[in-house]
Amino acid sequence: NAGVTQTPKFQVLKTGQSMTLQCAQDMNHEYMSWYRQDPGMGLRLIHYSVGAGITDQGEVPNGYNVSRSTTEDFPLRLLSAAPSQTSVYFCASRTLDRENIQYFGAGTRLSVL
Amino acid sequence: DAKTTQPPSMDCAEGRAANLPCNHSTISGNEYVYWYRQIHSQGPQYIIHGLKNNETNEMASLIITEDRKSSTLILPHATLRDTAVYYCIVRGSNDYKLSFGAGTTVTVRA
Repeated sequence: NAGVTQTPKFQVLKTGQSMTLQCAQDMNHEYMSWYRQDPGMGLRLIHYSVGAGITDQGEVPNGYNVSRSTTEDFPLRLLSAAPSQTSVYFCASRTLDRENIQYFGAGTRLSVL
Repeated sequence: DAKTTQPPSMDCAEGRAANLPCNHSTISGNEYVYWYRQIHSQGPQYIIHGLKNNETNEMASLIITEDRKSSTLILPHATLRDTAVYYCIVRGSNDYKLSFGAGTTVTVRA
C-alpha cells in the first residue's frame, strides 16, 4: 500500500514555464487536496476535490489549475511559473467519513528562477 | 474556525515523556481535536484525534479537558526521531481543509 505518491520530488523551472505536479493515492479516498508550504510557515490550501469531476478553490488558488478525472489522481498545474511559486507542495487525501484523517505525500520541492 | 494556541517551542530529554499543550477555548460541540506532526522536509503525519474522551494509540495519548477548551498530547517515551513540529488542529468532521498554524517545535535531546 503506497498511500499518497507525489512526483517529481524536486523540480527547477524558469519563470513562465508550465508544469504539472502529479499526485496519486491508492486508498480509494474521495477527498484530495493540494497545499503549499513556504519556508518557516504553515501549510496553505491551494485546491481541493471531493470526488471525480468536482474541484474547488482553497486559500491561495491563483496561478494553479486542477482537475480530477479519476478517484486516484489529482494533478496540479502551474500555467506560467513565477518566483513567488517557489515552495514545497504537498498532496493529501482522506475519506469523507467523520474521522477526517488526512494522509500526506512526501512533497514536491519546486524552485522557480 | 476554532483557533488554537500552542507554545512555539519546547525541549524534551530522550526517554522522558513530552507533554504538548494546546488551547482551543472557542471549540464548538461538533469539532474534533487533531494532532499532526511534520518531521523536517517530510509531509505532515497524523498522530491522534479526539472529541471528548481521552484517546491513546501506538504513537501518543491525547488528554482533553472536561470543558474541551484545552488538550495535551503526550509522547510517552520521546526519542530523537520525535523531533518535529507538532500541530494541534480543531476541525469539524465534515470540514474539507486542515488549517495548519505555526505549531510547536519539539526538540528531543540525548
